[in-house]
Amino acid sequence: GAVVSQHPSWVICKSGTSVKIECRSLDFQATTMFWYRQFPKQSLMLMATSNEGSKATYEQGVEKDKFLINHASLTLSTLTVTSAHPEDSSFYICSATAGTEYTEAFFGQGTRLTVV
Amino acid sequence: KNEVEQSPQNLTAQEGEFITINCSYSVGISALHWLQQHPGGGIVSLFMLSSGKKKHGRLIATINIQEKHSSLHITASHPRDSAVYICAVPTQGGSEKLVFGKGTKLTVNP
Repeated sequence: GAVVSQHPSWVICKSGTSVKIECRSLDFQATTMFWYRQFPKQSLMLMATSNEGSKATYEQGVEKDKFLINHASLTLSTLTVTSAHPEDSSFYICSATAGTEYTEAFFGQGTRLTVV
Repeated sequence: KNEVEQSPQNLTAQEGEFITINCSYSVGISALHWLQQHPGGGIVSLFMLSSGKKKHGRLIATINIQEKHSSLHITASHPRDSAVYICAVPTQGGSEKLVFGKGTKLTVNP
């Protein structure tokens, strides 16, 4: 099946610093990528939707200036957590699709972010 | 907006047992996803189905569109099947955005 590679798989950073997470589709062109966040024992929650070459669409309650999303090509989207705080510590995961609602979603391995 | 309910929340089984996990949703959909999340967090897409039944190895997924219900079955369960199983559906008709169930944590003991 199609592969989505997410990097890094885990990261520890100090409060106030920024962290960039990459999501790459390795063998298909991802017209749309989604970024999710999962707190312990909670379900995955959509943060934003990104389409190549356009601004990301953020879900209600997600600060677009804090979570910067760039989808510069059909195979790469990045999520940058700016001025990270301990409450941003979470599991971040991306998914990519190649088209319509009938297209299977492929998930990255996820990134465990710990802000100390 | 679609709402997803999964049951049970937790399930413990002995190796070899037949497993059933249920998912109900509130708004009609085009397709439903079953996902598997391992302890490390990584997610694997198991099935995407819009009608009837799909089978892959020991996994079987069924969906009843009229009743807005889907089931995931595991035959001859094995300890390596231990994971969290999540169903996901579009937030609303025609949307690519998914809303996820809270997951069913399956533990299969040898």
